[in-house]
Amino acid sequence: VLTQSPGTLCLSPGERATLSCRASQIVSTNYLAWYQHKPGRAPRLLIYGVSSRATGIPDRFSGSGSGTDFTLTISRLEPEDFAVYYCQQYGSSPLSFGGGTKVEI
Amino acid sequence: EVQLVESGGGLVQPGRSLRLSCEASGFSFEDYAMHWVRQAPGKGLEWVSSINWNSRVIGYAGSVKGRFTISRDNAKKSLYLQMNSLRAEDTAFYYCAKDGAGKSYGYGYYYMDVWGEGATVTVSS
Repeated sequence: VLTQSPGTLCLSPGERATLSCRASQIVSTNYLAWYQHKPGRAPRLLIYGVSSRATGIPDRFSGSGSGTDFTLTISRLEPEDFAVYYCQQYGSSPLSFGGGTKVEI
Repeated sequence: EVQLVESGGGLVQPGRSLRLSCEASGFSFEDYAMHWVRQAPGKGLEWVSSINWNSRVIGYAGSVKGRFTISRDNAKKSLYLQMNSLRAEDTAFYYCAKDGAGKSYGYGYYYMDVWGEGATVTVSS
């Protein structure tokens, strides 16, 4: 089980966002990804392998962590960053997503 | 450009069946695992099922195991989800997604790097 916190994060453009994802057991081989999801749009891969940015993802997005505790950091929020963010583990089947963190203004 | 286009969604009565399709283009379909992920109204993302590049490794969420069947046709560059014994709780937006790793990385399925726009499935009488 992946637990994301907080459920909602209220911030302003230019601020730093820190999103947490905690696993109920060690995530094998650090197989953890992060996605951004906006209403009416397909989800977008941000980070895979805990800290590798996907193609085209700006460097204000960074991932860190190991074992059971992982963090997505957005260094300076841009207006287009307000969305819901999900973590996903792929170290074991069944794959699973966290419940999501909504980043809102 | 990598593209995934889902089709086959719609309104269906409880207990009936529906088959989703996902047509892929812009990449070597036969080299990648594929996934189905859904989002129920007002809820978060839920993994449904995945299939590796040669259909030898398949996984299902507990909520659909025994009712849903994932398959692929590499010659047609298509992914399928056969959904039987549908329930109201299967009502959701269903996304097809391409695996990010590729068969050169490993034998299984991993994370989703490209997603389709999705298809709506509504189960209601």
